[in-house]
Amino acid sequence: DIQMTQSPSTLSASVGDRVTITCRASQSISSWLAWYQQKPGNAPKLLIYKASNLESGVPSRFSGSGSGTEFTLTISSLQPDDFATYYCQQYKSYSRLTFGGGTKVEIK
Amino acid sequence: QLQLQESGPGLVKPSETLSLTCTVSGGSISSSDYYWGWIRQPPGKGLEWIGSIFYSGNTYYNPSLKSRVTISLDTSKNQFSLKLSSVTAADTAVYYCARLGLTGEVDCWGQGTLVTVSS
Repeated sequence: DIQMTQSPSTLSASVGDRVTITCRASQSISSWLAWYQQKPGNAPKLLIYKASNLESGVPSRFSGSGSGTEFTLTISSLQPDDFATYYCQQYKSYSRLTFGGGTKVEIK
Repeated sequence: QLQLQESGPGLVKPSETLSLTCTVSGGSISSSDYYWGWIRQPPGKGLEWIGSIFYSGNTYYNPSLKSRVTISLDTSKNQFSLKLSSVTAADTAVYYCARLGLTGEVDCWGQGTLVTVSS
């Protein structure tokens, strides 16, 4: 299976900060990567697909980049609504979808 | 607007079979544009893909769960279902049903249902 490793596991930041979360794959997944946001008690929400494509309705302060084995999710200016846990997911192989362990973005 | 809703028992005894149903509204599970799947999340932990099914009935299962999992479609009711056999406490989790794109990203989620395995 392709392992997905996110860092950091927890991130403390302030409103207005630029935030970057990293996701590394154990082997190349080309651009087959998605990012999700999850708030407590809620289902995850798709933010980014195919590494850098913004899902409809997602604010433009979110962006994704990378290919191969290293990917980043960037929030250009952190807003109060953005405090949540973020997950990456690889889908290079449809028969073996895997998620990263998550990054919790907390208020500093 | 697409909506997915999980239903089923919230408590299952060890060694028994967990059964959940996902009712889809605002879209058809007979569409060739999407897969339908199940994802779970143990309390306080991360996400684990369980498996997916296509309108044709083709299925894909997580290798770590494959021997215990069955996902099926009921097109007459616009529903799909999950069965997980021989459950243990490690199967306690919030179970989400979901719609997946043809490449595998999850673009719509149900609200999730907590299933506890306990005697």
